[in-house]
Amino acid sequence: GAVVSQHPSRVICKSGTSVKIECRSLDFQATTMFWYRQFPKQSLMLMATSNEGSKATYEQGVEKDKFLINHASLTLSTLTVTSAHPEDSSFYICSAKTDLSGQAFFGQGTRLTVV
Amino acid sequence: GENVGLHLPTLSVQEGDNSIINCAYSNSASDYFIWYKQESGKGPQFIIDIRSNMDKRQGQRVTVLLNKTVKHLSLQIAATQPGDSAVYFCAENNQAGTALIFGKGTTLSVSS
Repeated sequence: GAVVSQHPSRVICKSGTSVKIECRSLDFQATTMFWYRQFPKQSLMLMATSNEGSKATYEQGVEKDKFLINHASLTLSTLTVTSAHPEDSSFYICSAKTDLSGQAFFGQGTRLTVV
Repeated sequence: GENVGLHLPTLSVQEGDNSIINCAYSNSASDYFIWYKQESGKGPQFIIDIRSNMDKRQGQRVTVLLNKTVKHLSLQIAATQPGDSAVYFCAENNQAGTALIFGKGTTLSVSS
């Protein structure tokens, strides 16, 4: 199957700083990428959908100014957590697919800890 | 609203047994469903999918059943192995058909 790579896999940052997480589709072009957040022992919650070259669509309750998403190319999307706080500590997972009807492939996730 | 849920939060089985994990969904317009396996600290791994024009699909040791009448999805794992221990999620298309919405998850624990 197609490979989606996330970087970094783990990051610890100080409260008030910003953190950028990258999501890359390694062997296919992803017209659409998705960002999810997962708290311990909970399910994946969709944060936003991003299409290459356009603004991301955020789910209700997700602050677009806090979680900045950029999908500048067909193989790269980034999620920047701005002014991070301890409650932003979570497992962030991206997925990518080639078209709206195609299978979504997931990255390995990024464990963010804000101290 | 969109709600994909699971009947049981945990399932414990013996190695070699067959496992059945269930999922209820609420969006009757959903036309695509997927089962994912997630091991600790990793991203979801695709297991099998099914479209709404089918009621059964088989893979290697796994079978997905779809009952649209009662909006129920199940994953059957034959001859369950310790390596199958993980959290299993069902997912369906959201109302717009643009993204996947995940259910709560079932933890499968396989003992030798």
